Amino acid sequence: AQSVTQPDIHITVSEGASLELRCNYSYGATPYLFWYVQSPGQGLQLLLKYFSGDTLVQGIKGFEAEFKRSQSSFNLRKPSVHWSDAAEYFCAVDLTGGGNKLTFGTGTQLKVEL
Amino acid sequence: DGGITQSPKYLFRKEGQNVTLSCEQNLNHDAMYWYRQDPGQGLRLIYYSQIVNDFQKGDIAEGYSVSREKKESFPLTVTSAQKNPTAFYLCASSRGAKSYNEQFFGPGTRLTVL
Repeated sequence: AQSVTQPDIHITVSEGASLELRCNYSYGATPYLFWYVQSPGQGLQLLLKYFSGDTLVQGIKGFEAEFKRSQSSFNLRKPSVHWSDAAEYFCAVDLTGGGNKLTFGTGTQLKVEL
Repeated sequence: DGGITQSPKYLFRKEGQNVTLSCEQNLNHDAMYWYRQDPGQGLRLIYYSQIVNDFQKGDIAEGYSVSREKKESFPLTVTSAQKNPTAFYLCASSRGAKSYNEQFFGPGTRLTVL
């Protein structure tokens, strides 16, 4: 079955350290890929997205993500984490090939230690 | 400022009662969506609407109903047929129905059924 997997439920990093959040998908073709961030009790905000072209995409707040077709992955990275980055991060994938439905991963909760 | 409003932020209802969650957007977006969020399960699509007077079921539509009589409004009714209605509900909108259009999210409504 087509799916989106975020294998890490919780991640804790020290402020200033680098971050990588993993996202894997199961889909036959190249999907549309998104990363969203959610602060506690709030809605989601789009960080970045990938449709085609350069496999390294830049987003807001200093985040970037790399699409790796061979690994069916779209991992989110940040070189230096700030305490304000503590939030829940969701990977979302359009598994319909450019349709209108997103499938969300189960999320990764990021904690930042000062 | 343009955005999406959801009201109320917290809602309590007795078991067996229908309840309607409000979602309004002033972004002039054609498409609107309702998601349900449960801990550890990410977001799941309940209903979506691509245009006024039209809507489609998402992945978990049973026990829910919607209407789209106006472009800016997409209310969700949680009926007594929904077996486990306690959850965080998020409304979103996008310029168009295709997934390459960024979805903008409201702040959510937390529904607790007692």
